[in-house]
Amino acid sequence: DARVTQTPRHKVTEMGQEVTMRCQPILGHNTVFWYRQTMMQGLELLAYFRNRAPLDDSGMPKDRFSAEMPDATLATLKIQPSEPRDSAVYFCASGLVWGGLTVTNEQFFGPGTRLTVL
Amino acid sequence: KNEVEQSPQNLTAQEGEFITINCSYSVGISALHWLQQHPGGGIVSLFMLSSGKKKHGRLIATINIQEKHSSLHITASHPRDSAVYICAVKGVDKLIFGTGTRLQVFP
Repeated sequence: DARVTQTPRHKVTEMGQEVTMRCQPILGHNTVFWYRQTMMQGLELLAYFRNRAPLDDSGMPKDRFSAEMPDATLATLKIQPSEPRDSAVYFCASGLVWGGLTVTNEQFFGPGTRLTVL
Repeated sequence: KNEVEQSPQNLTAQEGEFITINCSYSVGISALHWLQQHPGGGIVSLFMLSSGKKKHGRLIATINIQEKHSSLHITASHPRDSAVYICAVKGVDKLIFGTGTRLQVFP
């Protein structure tokens, strides 16, 4: 049963602390997306990778957020230092793009990490 | 003005009713996605379409590229269809999301 996994599922932390969220994309998928969902803004794209290389991170506050793919099976999103306004659900999604075309016809979403920054 | 707008924002229906959710967009797109977010928070991709119509079970999605408009229809609605339905348009890779339509279907 192939699916995207995310850890942790819930995280409560204090303002100023570092937060690291992890995502394991579906095996064989070469594109990984990080999204954030808040009540006010809805879903928004933070960053995405193709074949582990960052293609677009313009949606991400660069002073405190960083996204990496240490290997093809792991994507990380780090916030340092965290702030209360970062409280949101962070979704990872993966897909397969080949030759410029989205092969899978969809993105597969992980269950999300619910982050609360006090 | 948002690049992707959905209507209605909230929708209630009785079981068995035919439901339509609309999505209009103002940017050039390569495809349009309809997503379903369950009350528990999980997101499922329902359709990706770039022209015409797609059907899956009781769900039908249509798109009119010239009018920059898409609709999601649910036939014979059921309480388990209660969820937030999100329209998202795709440029090259990135998705731009609508704010969602919250659907509640009552028995």
